[in-house]
Amino acid sequence: EPEVTQTPSHQVTQMGQEVILRCVPISNHLYFYWYRQILGQKVEFLVSFYNNEISEKSEIFDDQFSVERPDGSNFTLKIRSTKLEDSAMYFCASSERQVSGANVLTFGAGSRLTVL
Amino acid sequence: DAKTTQPNSMESNEEEPVHLPCNHSTISGTDYIHWYRQLPSQGPEYVIHGLTSNVNNRMASLAIAEDRKSSTLILHRATLRDAAVYYCILRVVRGFKTIFGAGTRLFVKA
Repeated sequence: EPEVTQTPSHQVTQMGQEVILRCVPISNHLYFYWYRQILGQKVEFLVSFYNNEISEKSEIFDDQFSVERPDGSNFTLKIRSTKLEDSAMYFCASSERQVSGANVLTFGAGSRLTVL
Repeated sequence: DAKTTQPNSMESNEEEPVHLPCNHSTISGTDYIHWYRQLPSQGPEYVIHGLTSNVNNRMASLAIAEDRKSSTLILHRATLRDAAVYYCILRVVRGFKTIFGAGTRLFVKA
């Protein structure tokens, strides 16, 4: 069964450092997403991406965050200058298409980010 | 966005059916009802979705009330592996985001 792959599985970084989280979505999917989950809290939407541009973003997704699809397979989330509160599990997801409200997301296993 | 209300937690015995309720009284006519689950230390996983009619797949069944203001996810025979947080989500026609609430934590006893 096709899956969404995320790397690294765990990254530890110092506050103020830049971090890039990588995702390989399912190959025929067209819509890509990042979510985060702070330990013990709910899954929060960050951003969606389609046709090489951001289609929607949450208020969490401020200027510290950026996304990119540098080639035909990877989808990245960059955090420019990490803060302690960025420590969380980050999930990448992809979906085949936007068909009314029936859009189904496939999630990766997540990348755990720990900011010290 | 229309909201959903789910119990914080539920408990079930292994190999018994489980009915997970969800209220969504402000649902609009074109909102789809989606269910995802999150197993411990994993990403969310799609379970099932529907619009008006009841739906069945290999994982579960979805029963949707006639007025669409509530729905129930049915696991026909709970296993220990079904212990997870189950999220009931309304997926709007326009928009690119799927918004997760707090969900229902299901405990399954052997």
